[in-house]
Amino acid sequence: GAGVSQSPSNKVTEKGKDVELRCDPISGHTALYWYRQSLGQGLEFLIYFQGNSAPDKSGLPSDRFSAERTGGSVSTLTIQRTQQEDSAVYLCASSQGSTQYFGPGTRLLVL
Amino acid sequence: QQQVKQSPQSLIVQKGGISIINCAYENTAFDYFPWYQQFPGKGPALLIAIRPDVSEKKEGRFTISFNKSAKQFSLHIMDSQPGDSATYFCAASKATGNTGKLIFGQGTTLQVKP
Repeated sequence: GAGVSQSPSNKVTEKGKDVELRCDPISGHTALYWYRQSLGQGLEFLIYFQGNSAPDKSGLPSDRFSAERTGGSVSTLTIQRTQQEDSAVYLCASSQGSTQYFGPGTRLLVL
Repeated sequence: QQQVKQSPQSLIVQKGGISIINCAYENTAFDYFPWYQQFPGKGPALLIAIRPDVSEKKEGRFTISFNKSAKQFSLHIMDSQPGDSATYFCAASKATGNTGKLIFGQGTTLQVKP
């Protein structure tokens, strides 16, 4: 079946603008994760959704970051008042078990 | 205590050689240790994973060696090929009784020369 998809693949925005990044997980996967990968860096956990449970938001770097998951499927990561340090690749992963399957990411550039 | 330290940062190996990447962790509660392979412009893909109840796991040319007492694990790529050139990430998580969020190492860029 289809893998994890993310949109847009690339996003260029101006400092101070809000952006929304979308993730479509693998059908049937109950767990969904967002990670951030800065240039030349490892992946940094942001947020985790599991079914109807309260999300684990412990990795969100500031209150400008938020995410929601509607109907237990699609997720949106929102960054308000973007800053240049928000420039990174935002990766979504889904799982049903231990293995996390990653999407191709959204490359965000804040000018 | 949540860190996973990975080395080397970059690695150049001749075709047919053995590539070795090392990782160390601090949190003894981690019970799942995957390795991910990432090609430019793509998301990471699971390569191989191990749990701490075994000391070694082999899948084709890829082997994980795990040393629980030293809190270290490593990836060995035998007969390295140019197609193996990619960035490799080790990771760790508490897969049971927790969110399963992965803590990643900083990554190793592998170049296999023909």
